[in-house]
Amino acid sequence: EAQVTQNPRYLITVTGKKLTVTCSQNMNHEYMSWYRQDPGLGLRQIYYSMNVEVTDKGDVPEGYKVSRKEKRNFPLILESPSPNQTSLYFCASRRQGGSNQPQHFGDGTRLSIL
Amino acid sequence: AQSVSQHNHHVILSEAASLELGCNYSYGGTVNLFWYVQYPGQHLQLLLKYFSGDPLVKGIKGFEAEFIKSKFSFNLRKPSVQWSDTAEYFCAVNSDTSGTYKYIFGTGTRLKVLA
Repeated sequence: EAQVTQNPRYLITVTGKKLTVTCSQNMNHEYMSWYRQDPGLGLRQIYYSMNVEVTDKGDVPEGYKVSRKEKRNFPLILESPSPNQTSLYFCASRRQGGSNQPQHFGDGTRLSIL
Repeated sequence: AQSVSQHNHHVILSEAASLELGCNYSYGGTVNLFWYVQYPGQHLQLLLKYFSGDPLVKGIKGFEAEFIKSKFSFNLRKPSVQWSDTAEYFCAVNSDTSGTYKYIFGTGTRLKVLA
């Protein structure tokens, strides 16, 4: 089954404790992206990757890092999480065939930073 | 600045009522437009998309949207809603001029359909 898998689904942690949210897709998609979803703000793009070793900032990259060492994986790293990063996070992927390709989304990761 | 506006934040309808959700964007150049739906507790799913051709596009579950270039709009419609359409709806845009890898989402519209 084609899917985007995020882990963990839920995490409560404390300020400053490094964490990583993993994202993996099994569709051989070149493009992957991370979003955060906040009430009243919709989805905002954090980082995206056009292919292995190629990443770029979205609209809200501050406080986040990503890496793309393999095509299927695109982890989101919070080196020193802060309470304002409490949010619902979604990973997405799509084929590189064109910008009109729809994105496939994971089930989301709810992070609470105390 | 590039942006996507969804003016209706919350909509409440009775079953069988008609639905229209507004989406306006501010982009120059060629745009690709999407509507996604998020059912409670689930991830986003694509309803429909427009990138060229017929400006009236039909999607899944009886939804359709019309791209009106002169109005920078891409409104979502459904003639008769069902209780199962209760969800949050997001309009999204990317643009060849802004870089086709960046997506801008609207703030979403929460639809509640009363049985």
